[in-house]
Amino acid sequence: EIVMTQSPATLSVSPGERATLSCRASQSITNNLAWYQQKPGQAPRLLIYGASTRATGIPARFSGSGSGTEFTLTITSLQSEDFAVYYCQQHNNWPLTFGGGTKVEIK
Amino acid sequence: EVQLLESGGGLVQPGGSLRLSCAASGFTFSNYVMTWVRQAPGKGLEWVSSILIGGGNTYYADSVKGRFTISRDNSKNTLYLQMNSLRAEDTAVYYCAKGTAFDIWGQGTMVTVSS
Repeated sequence: EIVMTQSPATLSVSPGERATLSCRASQSITNNLAWYQQKPGQAPRLLIYGASTRATGIPARFSGSGSGTEFTLTITSLQSEDFAVYYCQQHNNWPLTFGGGTKVEIK
Repeated sequence: EVQLLESGGGLVQPGGSLRLSCAASGFTFSNYVMTWVRQAPGKGLEWVSSILIGGGNTYYADSVKGRFTISRDNSKNTLYLQMNSLRAEDTAVYYCAKGTAFDIWGQGTMVTVSS
């Protein structure tokens, strides 16, 4: 099983600032990585797939990068609606696995 | 509108069974892998099971293997999850999701396993 490790667990950021979230895979997953945003009481929403491709309707302030085992989600100029929990997920191998999540909170 | 709608959740005693359904609309259901993902209260996301396009290939998390069965009826655009021998640790919101990078999610259905 591929273990996905996200860091940090919590990120405190002021509105308008940049947030950088990390995700590491225990073995290479090429670029088969997705990022999701989840707000309380809601289903997750796909932000990024293929490590760097924004899903439909996702603002350009969200960007993904990386390949192999190291990945990054960057949110430039955080808006109030961006404070949420973010998960990475690999879809390169069965079983599919998620990271433990990063909570982005208001500083 | 592309939509997934789960149903079938509820309260069940340990050792009991429950069958979840997920009705799909707005896309060609038969062309996509379909997946169940769960989230225990206050916890992260956990992949549960996926079924490939034809329904002949299925995959399960070790935590549910041998107890849960995923299936699909492409004529009804519906995904199922039969859950047997339920345990307290199966308590979660269960989501159905489209694909293996999940671009569409249902609203979730709550399953509570408790005596």
